[in-house]
Amino acid sequence: GQQVMQIPQYQHVQEGEDFTTYCNSSTTLSNIQWYKQRPGGHPVFLIQLVKSGEVKKQKRLTFQFGEAKKNSSLHITATQTTDVGTYFCAGPQAGGTSYGKLTFGQGTILTVHP
Amino acid sequence: GAGVSQSPSNKVTEKGKDVELRCDPISGHTALYWYRQSLGQGLEFLIYFQGNSAPDKSGLPSDRFSAERTGGSVSTLTIQRTQQEDSAVYLCASSLAPVREYEQYFGPGTRLTVT
Repeated sequence: GQQVMQIPQYQHVQEGEDFTTYCNSSTTLSNIQWYKQRPGGHPVFLIQLVKSGEVKKQKRLTFQFGEAKKNSSLHITATQTTDVGTYFCAGPQAGGTSYGKLTFGQGTILTVHP
Repeated sequence: GAGVSQSPSNKVTEKGKDVELRCDPISGHTALYWYRQSLGQGLEFLIYFQGNSAPDKSGLPSDRFSAERTGGSVSTLTIQRTQQEDSAVYLCASSLAPVREYEQYFGPGTRLTVT
């Protein structure tokens, strides 16, 4: 079955440093979504990428979708303590029979030291 | 507007008992999902409902787990004869349409503890 892997599992940074998490799928994805889960909270949607090679920015966050639509990355510039949380990528399998099944990566836990 | 709501927020039960977890999706959202999240882990897909179509139950871990969605709105996840390994946070999410096009909105979750 489809597998979505994220690295690293944990990342500790000093406030002001950059952060990147990588997401790799075993199969081609029709799109990829990113979610953030604050400690003790629930996942909150950040963004969706659809096109091959797509790059989207949200303030200090930059999201990329690979040319082969099998990998993605999230980069945060100059981290702040408000960036703390777990970042998940998720994607449905392209051409899959189930339109609803979203496979999540295991997440990257980001801690930011002030 | 109102988001996805789940009840109870916490549930402690004895091994072997049955539990029911409830999810109220956002009004107008036709797609509803259940996930399980163990401590410090990712989200494990359980089941997906879309309109009047047959649900995708491919993620249910055993026949002790079942879910229904009445009237295309409220959903109940039932776990029979609970085991300690069932302890986790159960998250419900809803979206406007198939997840391929629309983001999911998650509820606050139900934390289930089986003693």
